[in-house]
Amino acid sequence: GAVVSQHPSRVICKSGTSVKIECRSLDFQATTMFWYRQFPKQSLMLMATSNEGSKATYEQGVEKDKFLINHASLTLSTLTVTSAHPEDSSFYICSALTPTGLMRTQYFGPGTRLLVL
Amino acid sequence: AQSVTQPDIHITVSEGASLELRCNYSYGATPYLFWYVQSPGQGLQLLLKYFSGDTLVQGIKGFEAEFKRSQSSFNLRKPSVHWSDAAEYFCAVGGGSNTGKLIFGQGTTLQVKP
Repeated sequence: GAVVSQHPSRVICKSGTSVKIECRSLDFQATTMFWYRQFPKQSLMLMATSNEGSKATYEQGVEKDKFLINHASLTLSTLTVTSAHPEDSSFYICSALTPTGLMRTQYFGPGTRLLVL
Repeated sequence: AQSVTQPDIHITVSEGASLELRCNYSYGATPYLFWYVQSPGQGLQLLLKYFSGDTLVQGIKGFEAEFKRSQSSFNLRKPSVHWSDAAEYFCAVGGGSNTGKLIFGQGTTLQVKP
């Protein structure tokens, strides 16, 4: 299957600082990427859809000023958690959607564990 | 409303035994169906997918799934489970709108006994 990378895999930061997470599609161009949040022992919660060259689309209840998404190229989307607080601690996972066609499939990155102290 | 239900939160099987994980969906349009597996602290890996055609789909790691439209189900099966199959399994449904968005089930935790 296709390969999606995330960086960093783990980050610890102080409350009030900002953290940037990168998601890269390594072997196909992805005009669309997704950002998810996952709490322990739970399913994935879609946060936003990242669209190359345009603004991200956020799910209801997700603060767009808190979670800034930039999709600057066809292989890179970034999620910046601004002014992070302990309640933002979580596992963040991105996915890249295969190009337009009948069998569009999401391939996932390995995730980023964020701990805000 | 669109939804995916995985009725079994936790399943334990013995190594070498057969496995079936259940997935039921509610979706107004033609469903595109997926099974993903997640090991602890990792992202999701695609096991298999169904878009059309043969309703029995073969995937990686010896897994298969069968799409049954009349039962709105897409159950995952494996004839002989290995200890390395212990993980979290997610069923997901996407739609014909081609947005690529997925609706996930709550997941089933598979434990394998030696």
